[in-house]
Amino acid sequence: AQKITQTQPGMFVQEKEAVTLDCTYDTSDPSYGLFWYKQPSSGEMIFLIYQGSYDQQNATEGRYSLNFQKARKSANLVISASQLGDSAMYFCAMRAVNTGGFKTIFGAGTRLFVKA
Amino acid sequence: DADVTQTPRNRITKTGKRIMLECSQTKGHDRMYWYRQDPGLGLRLIYYSFDVKDINKGEISDGYSVSRQAQAKFSLSLESAIPNQTALYFCATSDFSGGASETQYFGPGTRLLVL
Repeated sequence: AQKITQTQPGMFVQEKEAVTLDCTYDTSDPSYGLFWYKQPSSGEMIFLIYQGSYDQQNATEGRYSLNFQKARKSANLVISASQLGDSAMYFCAMRAVNTGGFKTIFGAGTRLFVKA
Repeated sequence: DADVTQTPRNRITKTGKRIMLECSQTKGHDRMYWYRQDPGLGLRLIYYSFDVKDINKGEISDGYSVSRQAQAKFSLSLESAIPNQTALYFCATSDFSGGASETQYFGPGTRLLVL
């Protein structure tokens, strides 16, 4: 069975500091993709970053990077130089190619608060 | 204009009423999805469609039905609304091109309250 776990219901970070949001996953499928989405208070879901299971390097997109540790089945999101606008819910998600039934599953989310 | 739109954005209804949530997209994607979001549970898949003639149940399809009227339109219906269907509903699309990198693009969401 596929599963995504986000153990941090809420996180605080000081503006301009870096923060790591944890995500662990479980799948027996060797081919899978990992995603992070941001949900601001306005409610929309915004795609941030993608990591494929066969990718050799960690994905980066601007201030976002994904710390992919395959053996530990973790895919933590690192936000560098936090900004007040980063305050939001963050969801980790996974899509397993062969066993996932063409579905993307989501974690419960982590709410990030950026302090001025 | 937004690529994925949902109407209505907010809806209050009563138990037993039938309601329809609509989703339209201009991205030209074949795949469309309906999710619901509840606090502490993340997003859960209700139904998905890979093209106009292909409709599939997700993990929580009971009490819901869908219609894929065209490539660009995917509607979700609650046949007889009940209070535990109060949630935030998202429509999403994706441009699947093989492999695991299927990024989904979400609409703005519909907040539904069933009294």
